[in-house]
Amino acid sequence: AQSVTQLDSQVPVFEEAPVELRCNYSSSVSVYLFWYVQYPNQGLQLLLKYLSGSTLVKGINGFEAEFNKSQTSFHLRKPSVHISDTAEYFCAGTTSNTGKLIFGQGTTLQVKP
Amino acid sequence: KAGVTQTPRYLIKTRGQQVTLSCSPISGHRSVSWYQQTPGQGLQFLFEYFSETQRNKGNFPGRFSGRQFSNSRSEMNVSTLELGDSALYLCASSLGQGSEAFFGQGTRLTVV
Repeated sequence: AQSVTQLDSQVPVFEEAPVELRCNYSSSVSVYLFWYVQYPNQGLQLLLKYLSGSTLVKGINGFEAEFNKSQTSFHLRKPSVHISDTAEYFCAGTTSNTGKLIFGQGTTLQVKP
Repeated sequence: KAGVTQTPRYLIKTRGQQVTLSCSPISGHRSVSWYQQTPGQGLQFLFEYFSETQRNKGNFPGRFSGRQFSNSRSEMNVSTLELGDSALYLCASSLGQGSEAFFGQGTRLTVV
């Protein structure tokens, strides 16, 4: 079955510290991978995407992710977080023959001052 | 370039009623997908439309239906509302398979 798993439901971190949000996927959804962010009472905003090519993907707001095929992972990283990064983060995947996104359960990033 | 627009933003309905939600995609996008978001189940795929045809369907009862018009605007309908249908309904549009999806702000449906 197709699945995307986010390994942490909550990640507390202090401001200006680095952070990693973990995501694993099943091989059947590995073709295209995405990270989205959701602020309270908002829709989802695309942070970055992996479609093909370089395995290190850079996104908006200083975020980046690395596609690792051997470990079936697509972890999201930021070297220094800000209070404004506090939000819910979703990892998602899809295959080439469908527009259906499979989402992980979400990770709440809590940035503390 | 305007983003994905969903109307209304908030809706309160009574059990047993029906509801129609609307989604206007980004200009030029022919694929529209719908998702249900709840605290317990997370983000779940409802269906996808492409050029007025339903291309994919999630695992939801037949009370949930949708359609897409020739201008790519889409509507979803939920009949015989249940309390468990209370959720944030999100619409996303894209150019098609293999391209990123852009989401609207969502419609918050509360069933009482």
